[in-house]
Amino acid sequence: SSELTQDPAVSVALGQTVTITCQGDSLRTSYASWYQQKSGQAPLLLIYGKNNRPSGIPDRFSGSTSGNTASLTITGAQAEDEADYHCNSRDTTIKPVVFGGGTKLTVL
Amino acid sequence: QVQLAESGGGVVQPGRSLRLSCAASGFTLSSFGMHWVRQAPGKGLEWVAIIWSGEIDKFYADSVKDRFTISRDNSKNTVYLQMNSLRAEDTAVYYCAREMFYYDSNDHRDVEAFDIWGQGTMVTVSS
Repeated sequence: SSELTQDPAVSVALGQTVTITCQGDSLRTSYASWYQQKSGQAPLLLIYGKNNRPSGIPDRFSGSTSGNTASLTITGAQAEDEADYHCNSRDTTIKPVVFGGGTKLTVL
Repeated sequence: QVQLAESGGGVVQPGRSLRLSCAASGFTLSSFGMHWVRQAPGKGLEWVAIIWSGEIDKFYADSVKDRFTISRDNSKNTVYLQMNSLRAEDTAVYYCAREMFYYDSNDHRDVEAFDIWGQGTMVTVSS
């Protein structure tokens, strides 16, 4: 089982806004990082820290944190955003890193 | 160009061993913490192991502890994952990833991110 909890599946209409959440105790002391994984590909870092995007990541992707819940928001979802989204964070208790179970995003 | 390339995957019988390699290019691997992460077919990502930049500290997931060993050869700019006593449940795509870690002193939170990933190598454990 994952120490970070994500909804297994979320859908969004093309051009609309969607929020994917990640919940866990480790998020009280560590920011979540977010990854996009398209079918057959390696994960790609989207968001890290408070709300930082690596070079090349579109600004329609943003992140936020409140208490033990981290959120990834896609503002104006595009067809190419259909993918699996994973969160992870540092965990100072059992092991260094924990992942969520992943959320499959469908763009309708 | 900064990149990672895994190799060494394949089909192996239960109880046998396999060694995965992860070659880095465009950066000095020894300056970074390096992780192995796996993904079973149709499942999410599972963290497996880390070797920190000081190389002394290594840590493993409970599911692989005492069976897997992570190591690094700085002269080859390569990190390895030695996998012994393989089980069917070890079947997965194995990724190596570079760690970005810092402490955000403004918000008093750690930041842990994997900023570079390899393309993955498939390991199938089957008789």
